[in-house]
Amino acid sequence: AQKITQTQPGMFVQEKEAVTLDCTYDTSDPSYGLFWYKQPSSGEMIFLIYQGSYDQQNATEGRYSLNFQKARKSANLVISASQLGDSAMYFCAMTPAYRGSTLGRLYFGRGTQLTVWP
Amino acid sequence: GAVVSQHPSRVICKSGTSVKIECRSLDFQATTMFWYRQFPKQSLMLMATSNEGSKATYEQGVEKDKFLINHASLTLSTLTVTSAHPEDSSFYICSASGTGGSEQYFGPGTRLTVT
Repeated sequence: AQKITQTQPGMFVQEKEAVTLDCTYDTSDPSYGLFWYKQPSSGEMIFLIYQGSYDQQNATEGRYSLNFQKARKSANLVISASQLGDSAMYFCAMTPAYRGSTLGRLYFGRGTQLTVWP
Repeated sequence: GAVVSQHPSRVICKSGTSVKIECRSLDFQATTMFWYRQFPKQSLMLMATSNEGSKATYEQGVEKDKFLINHASLTLSTLTVTSAHPEDSSFYICSASGTGGSEQYFGPGTRLTVT
């Protein structure tokens, strides 16, 4: 079974500072994909970043980077230079399939509410 | 990125009535669509997986007779909440993935309120 754990219900960061949102996972599948999504108050799910279990390098997308530590089963999201518009709920998710094959369902963590203050 | 739409974005209905929510992939063929439910300040919970032309696969605890899913074409899946009750009030989100390793794209969600 797959399980995603986000232990930080809320995080606060000052504008322009960096922040790390924690995510640990548990799976017995040898291949899997890890995602981070942002959900603003409007409700839409915005894809941020993806990391495949066999990817050698940590994923980066602009101000977002994923600190992937496979042995520790952690996939923390790092947001650099926080902006006021980054205030939202952030979800870590996993799919028991590797990109390049048809993706299956996503397992979501409980989310972390990030608040960026000026 | 690919676009997935949902309609309606908000709906209010009376208890006992049925409500249909549409999920469309606008610029790609979605072989698989997923329906999630999200209660306030909680995570997304998968309700069912639908593949075009076949019956949906429901997650444990989800009543298939209450939440009817139809995936009749490669661009459209519908979720019908039958005989809705106030406890069905929630945020329903669909996602879609195509063939050959495309990622999941989420619709904007539908907020259902049953009075």
